[in-house]
Amino acid sequence: DVKVTQSSRYLVKRTGEKVFLECVQDMDHENMFWYRQDPGLGLRLIYFSYDVKMKEKGDIPEGYSVSREKKERFSLILESASTNQTSMYLCASSSLIEGGPSSTDTQYFGPGTRLTVL
Amino acid sequence: ILNVEQSPQSLHVQEGDSTNFTCSFPSSNFYALHWYRWETAKSPEALFVMTLNGDEKKKGQISATLNTKEGYSYLYIKGSQPEDSATYLCASSGYSSASKIIFGSGTRLSIRP
Repeated sequence: DVKVTQSSRYLVKRTGEKVFLECVQDMDHENMFWYRQDPGLGLRLIYFSYDVKMKEKGDIPEGYSVSREKKERFSLILESASTNQTSMYLCASSSLIEGGPSSTDTQYFGPGTRLTVL
Repeated sequence: ILNVEQSPQSLHVQEGDSTNFTCSFPSSNFYALHWYRWETAKSPEALFVMTLNGDEKKKGQISATLNTKEGYSYLYIKGSQPEDSATYLCASSGYSSASKIIFGSGTRLSIRP
């Protein structure tokens, strides 16, 4: 079974702090994703990566950056946390189908990190 | 429709009753429709991926249908059980490699014993 783990289930930080959210997957997946989920809204894509050292902006990248130094690890960085970044953050991974990133790939999710910024 | 929309937002059903809810998605540039189940304190878990118009998938007492021409999918649960309580997310993806999966806001299902 695919396992996607996230470094923390709950995190409380202060405004202005630099925050690192770590995600690790153990199935050698090429694709990794970071989402946030807020009440009444769907999962919104922040950033994704199709390969090591490769990243692309999602729909709401402002205020975030990412790092993918190793295939199994995808980090989300909040350079200077703000209260509007209080949210549930979900990491996901999927495998690459020949011919390029395939949007039929099932995504496997981590358990989420609930971040509160005070 | 520009976004993925799910209805209703929440649903309360008596144990043993059957229920269904809807996902509407953009029908142009459509490639795949995904259903996920997200139980409290757990990770979202994939239920189905459907690509062809008229597709119907089944997993236990849960089934889903797909209409790509009009851009909707239904999820059915027959004989609801308390363990079916969860948020059900649908997501749509398009053809190009730059396409991303677009999620709906989910239907929160609660089963009353």
